[in-house]
Amino acid sequence: ETGVTQTPRHLVMGMTNKKSLKCEQHLGHNAMYWYKQSAKKPLELMFVYNFKEQTENNSVPSRFSPECPNSSHLFLHLHTLQPEDSALYLCASSRTGGLLYEQYFGPGTRLTVT
Amino acid sequence: QQQVKQSPQSLIVQKGGIPIINCAYENTAFDYFPWYQQFPGKGPALLIAIRPDVSEKKEGRFTISFNKSAKQFSLHIMDSQPGDSATYFCAASRPGTYKYIFGTGTRLKVLA
Repeated sequence: ETGVTQTPRHLVMGMTNKKSLKCEQHLGHNAMYWYKQSAKKPLELMFVYNFKEQTENNSVPSRFSPECPNSSHLFLHLHTLQPEDSALYLCASSRTGGLLYEQYFGPGTRLTVT
Repeated sequence: QQQVKQSPQSLIVQKGGIPIINCAYENTAFDYFPWYQQFPGKGPALLIAIRPDVSEKKEGRFTISFNKSAKQFSLHIMDSQPGDSATYFCAASRPGTYKYIFGTGTRLKVLA
């Protein structure tokens, strides 16, 4: 295990539902990330938080709403999603001091939007 | 300029073979190049990484070769095993940032 946990591991939701993904890291890192992984596409960085402050939002639709209450927890709130949002959502964490920012990934949440 | 181009998309080798996965980049400001390994149902895991001040780095059966002038780097897996069957991603980042640019991934299958 990498020290990054994600729940739930699988989620099926309708287009009108509201759900949340949770990520927790036990590595003492101060940066956390949300990525979207779709088949045959590079990992897409969605959001970055550093010391609880959002530092990156890669033009993500507003139906995805991140929340970072502290450096160990990260949420992704989902509402009125589209079928094309079905993907594996990965959380990662890293340090941000020094020269190296090795990212450690959780196992992901497999999301299916029906 | 921000892209990292990875090839091949998929690769099949016999056990004991040496699969080679290649990545190319344009942005000369990149200074950190990690490789990640991902098994089905798991998140990517850091495998090995290199900085441009060295041309080669080995960790166990995994070797990164780096050609700074050609802006290319590659992953070699020596004596490949069926347990190495996974998807491999290269990535690059710039100094002082924690944003990775990932390649599209290579699905490797090692036949027993």
